[in-house]
Amino acid sequence: DARVTQTPRHKVTEMGQEVTMRCQPILGHNTVFWYRQTMMQGLELLAYFRNRAPLDDSGMPKDRFSAEMPDATLATLKIQPSEPRDSAVYFCASDTDRGVFLGSLNEQFFGPGTRLTVL
Amino acid sequence: DAKTTQPNSMESNEEEPVHLPCNHSTISGTDYIHWYRQLPSQGPEYVIHGLTSNVNNRMASLAIAEDRKSSTLILHRATLRDAAVYYCILVEYGNKLVFGAGTILRVKS
Repeated sequence: DARVTQTPRHKVTEMGQEVTMRCQPILGHNTVFWYRQTMMQGLELLAYFRNRAPLDDSGMPKDRFSAEMPDATLATLKIQPSEPRDSAVYFCASDTDRGVFLGSLNEQFFGPGTRLTVL
Repeated sequence: DAKTTQPNSMESNEEEPVHLPCNHSTISGTDYIHWYRQLPSQGPEYVIHGLTSNVNNRMASLAIAEDRKSSTLILHRATLRDAAVYYCILVEYGNKLVFGAGTILRVKS
């Protein structure tokens, strides 16, 4: 059955290192979201893409975070350099924007997450 | 973003119905009401959504007040696997999900 996949599932790194997280959206989905979840802040939207174009990345610290979609089957989230405060679970989600006249919208499918620990 | 208010936690007995309330008094005419849930150690999972009419699907029912200022997610027979954090979210077409704190649902056997 179709699922969003994320790699790696767990990552432990040291402060200052580059971290790359990958997401494969469900085939045919044209919108991809990146979220971060911490105990203190809960679930926060970092950025999202539609048809591979960035629509909103206002939730992302621009100086160290970058998000891209090299192709329709891969989304990446990079942190460089990483800091201990970046420790969190990072979720990717995808959905299909079927247009306002079709009614149904925003049924996002979430991946299992990448648990990042920065020491 | 329009805000929602949910109880911090609720408890239910297994096999009994659960009614999870959500207040959204500042909802606009174009906001959809979405419910997601997050099971322990998993990503959020879509449950149901609606605009004005009550909705049913295999997971739950959504009852929307006539004035749309509140809604209730109904799990008809709670099981232990329904223990999760339930999020009520208002979504404008094509816009992002903004998660609040949600309601922690505990199910007792």
